[in-house]
Amino acid sequence: DTAVSQTPKYLVTQMGNDKSIKCEQNLGHDTMYWYKQDSKKFLKIMFSYNNKELIINETVPNRFSPKSPDKAHLNLHINSLELGDSAVYFCASSPRRLAGANEQYFGPGTRLTVT
Amino acid sequence: DAKTTQPPSMDCAEGRAANLPCNHSTISGNEYVYWYRQIHSQGPQYIIHGLKNNETNEMASLIITEDRKSSTLILPHATLRDTAVYYCIVRVATGGFKTIFGAGTRLFVKA
Repeated sequence: DTAVSQTPKYLVTQMGNDKSIKCEQNLGHDTMYWYKQDSKKFLKIMFSYNNKELIINETVPNRFSPKSPDKAHLNLHINSLELGDSAVYFCASSPRRLAGANEQYFGPGTRLTVT
Repeated sequence: DAKTTQPPSMDCAEGRAANLPCNHSTISGNEYVYWYRQIHSQGPQYIIHGLKNNETNEMASLIITEDRKSSTLILPHATLRDTAVYYCIVRVATGGFKTIFGAGTRLFVKA
């Protein structure tokens, strides 16, 4: 059973398009996250939701809009895609909002390529 | 969160111990040292963490110097499946996870 799953695994699209990445966790965790890993392999947090409430928003362009229909799902919608959005996006979850780094579980990632 | 410095890459023979160093000279008193790894095309995987005492679990050992300015992750018997990028990060134990993972050390385990 996959703990944190993401779809799609690969996404290739053109500039200006709108796309969504879905994330689901079956761990019963309260908190979910979106991270972006750029070409230099730096992994940076974008958003965090706790029980469907946004708790971290790290100065991400408002073209990125996370949506949490329930605490097991955190989807990422991106409007007007730009070349610089090309990266690998990781979803993660943890048992609670103040969880230690050892309690975060990451999904397999979605590689987004904008052409 | 304090900054860390790691060598960009290392080689290790299969079956031997892999010793991965990390410098964190600006670490503050309440910051822990965490190690993660990322195998190609997968998400980061937690390995181990510690504050000032050495730690050991089923995956690895963590040796932290007395002044806490550096640490070493030890994989006692490296296998080919340990080939990955290893990230050392320092941060407080709780309070949200804003840490940026740096470039890490790419470990190549060779047969």
